[in-house]
Amino acid sequence: GAGVSQSPRYKVAKRGQDVALRCDPISGHVSLFWYQQALGQGPEFLTYFQNEAQLDKSGLPSDRFFAERPEGSVSTLKIQRTQQEDSAVYLCASSFGPDPGIQYFGAGTRLSVL
Amino acid sequence: GIQVEQSPPDLILQEGANSTLRCNFSDSVNNLQWFHQNPWGQLINLFYIPSGTKQNGRLSATTVATERYSLLYISSSQTTDSGVYFCAPPTWAGGTSYGKLTFGQGTILTVHP
Repeated sequence: GAGVSQSPRYKVAKRGQDVALRCDPISGHVSLFWYQQALGQGPEFLTYFQNEAQLDKSGLPSDRFFAERPEGSVSTLKIQRTQQEDSAVYLCASSFGPDPGIQYFGAGTRLSVL
Repeated sequence: GIQVEQSPPDLILQEGANSTLRCNFSDSVNNLQWFHQNPWGQLINLFYIPSGTKQNGRLSATTVATERYSLLYISSSQTTDSGVYFCAPPTWAGGTSYGKLTFGQGTILTVHP
């Protein structure tokens, strides 16, 4: 596609529900990143994929967070048993190569946990 | 990891004014991105600037890697320039070949007509 696409744009969940957030990177991009942006803050790194391999998950806040990219293209970020502190905007970015080329961001998914 | 500080935190301008946003970082970098986050939350790439100066219309950016800072210049500001401006150098951890971005807190720019 022309850009990074994320869905849904908005998600409201009740505390304790599981949610799945989808990211479609730019076609052909090897690298895919997930970031979390709390209100009034800059985005913070969550996890990184190079093709289908998850090379870095050091930013995932807890074991309730899980990400996958099984075919090296679309990625899903799953949050189990959501809590209020999970409320944030979740941003996906992709870049062409593994070395630090330009990262292009999607519009994000705004998650609100009630 | 690398620390990133942006200044000023807030900036209010009248349309037509010029401004300079600053980004200081604690470690040497080999590239840096500037972004504009619009009111709808979209992060828009402005510059990928490892060093030197680049210009794009009314915007230009300069990175002085040896002195660990980057500047973003906005000339003849317009109301559509409003939003949050972030700088983000990559962090290289443990000899990895990729760079996860570390963002500053941002500069909130408001341009009044």
